[in-house]
Amino acid sequence: AQSVTQLGSHVSVSEGALVLLRCNYSSSVPPYLFWYVQYPNQGLQLLLKYTSAATLVKGINGFEAEFKKSETSFHLTKPSAHMSDAAEYFCAVSRGSSNTGKLIFGQGTTLQVKP
Amino acid sequence: ETGVTQSPTHLIKTRGQQVTLRCSSQSGHNTVSWYQQALGQGPQFIFQYYREEENGRGNFPPRFSGLQFPNYSSELNVNALELDDSALYLCASSWSSGRSTDTQYFGPGTRLTVL
Repeated sequence: AQSVTQLGSHVSVSEGALVLLRCNYSSSVPPYLFWYVQYPNQGLQLLLKYTSAATLVKGINGFEAEFKKSETSFHLTKPSAHMSDAAEYFCAVSRGSSNTGKLIFGQGTTLQVKP
Repeated sequence: ETGVTQSPTHLIKTRGQQVTLRCSSQSGHNTVSWYQQALGQGPQFIFQYYREEENGRGNFPPRFSGLQFPNYSSELNVNALELDDSALYLCASSWSSGRSTDTQYFGPGTRLTVL
């Protein structure tokens, strides 16, 4: 069975500091991995996705993630946090061996950005 | 290009009642996936509809059912509501070949409260 685990339900950083949100996956087939952001009372917005091409994936709003097969990780980073980055972040893996659109989500990590 | 819309925005029902939630997919998309997001949790996959047929289902009982219409909009029906059905229900639309899908776009969700 495929799954993702997000390490840390709550991360707090200062404005301008590095953002690192951790995600580990489990999959018996090459995974398709995603990071989504959710602002309060809104739906999910795709930040970036890994679909077996380049291992370093660049997304919107300055975010990027690196796929590391040896560590089964897909951590999300941003060099400098902005106040507007405060939100809930979800890592997800697609069921099956392709991007099926049937996603398995982690529990989420709340990012707090302090001024 | 219109985005994904959902109606209603909020809904309050009592235990045992039935509810219908609606999702209008983005123009050009033929696939709709539904997710349940309980408070403080990540979304859980309910089912997916592709070209009016169910195309995969998560671990949800049969009282959760759906429809997809020729214009690719979709409905989620829940019978015999239980308190644990209280959640944000998200739909996501995408274009799919049947085996794999392009980027999913999420709607803002319907907040269902069961009393």
